[in-house]
Amino acid sequence: QQPVQSPQAVILREGEDAVINCSSSKALYSVHWYRQKHGEAPVFLMILLKGGEQKGHEKISASFNEKKQQSSLYLTASQLSYSGTYFCGTEIKGSARQLTFGSGTQLTVLP
Amino acid sequence: NAGVTQTPKFQVLKTGQSMTLQCAQDMNHNSMYWYRQDPGMGLRLIYYSASEGTTDKGEVPNGYNVSRLNKREFSLRLESAAPSQTSVYFCASSEGKVGGGYTFGSGTRLTVV
Repeated sequence: QQPVQSPQAVILREGEDAVINCSSSKALYSVHWYRQKHGEAPVFLMILLKGGEQKGHEKISASFNEKKQQSSLYLTASQLSYSGTYFCGTEIKGSARQLTFGSGTQLTVLP
Repeated sequence: NAGVTQTPKFQVLKTGQSMTLQCAQDMNHNSMYWYRQDPGMGLRLIYYSASEGTTDKGEVPNGYNVSRLNKREFSLRLESAAPSQTSVYFCASSEGKVGGGYTFGSGTRLTVV
């Protein structure tokens, strides 16, 4: 039931773009995205509820393809502060309201 | 604006000892959760409480018990700690409604020797 994230790790230079993918084998009710910096708690970024929905602000956005049970997180013109581990969390249709998290994508932005 | 408060932040236990991890939220959230985080494994759900008075097992409940003491507080108990329970434990809360994200506490780093 755990969603699969890819890539596992990515290294960027400041100003470069990145895409993180999340896919599930189950029909999804929603997809959440969180960022966790080393030694800290995960922080909520956004939630996507409807198929085809895209959300975001400034340079971090996400899309949700309900038919393919996939979501992607887009980081545009990355900044040093974007470094951390990104997790997607999925709520499966027909199950209780609980999140199952992927294993994470470690993003490192270099100057 | 404290959010979700967890205590203690660090703990070392000997195998077989028991302890309770405390969690409290001040956002009037309905739902609360306990996750454990191990390297390379992401966050795995131990137990959750959809609303005051209810608790349910998550993905990895064995060796743990929980109590939803009131709307604010949700505790996690290890009755007989084992080295396999060495992990970072996070408590989280949410409104429990459509569109709500989770707010996490700062975590408890537990080592069982």
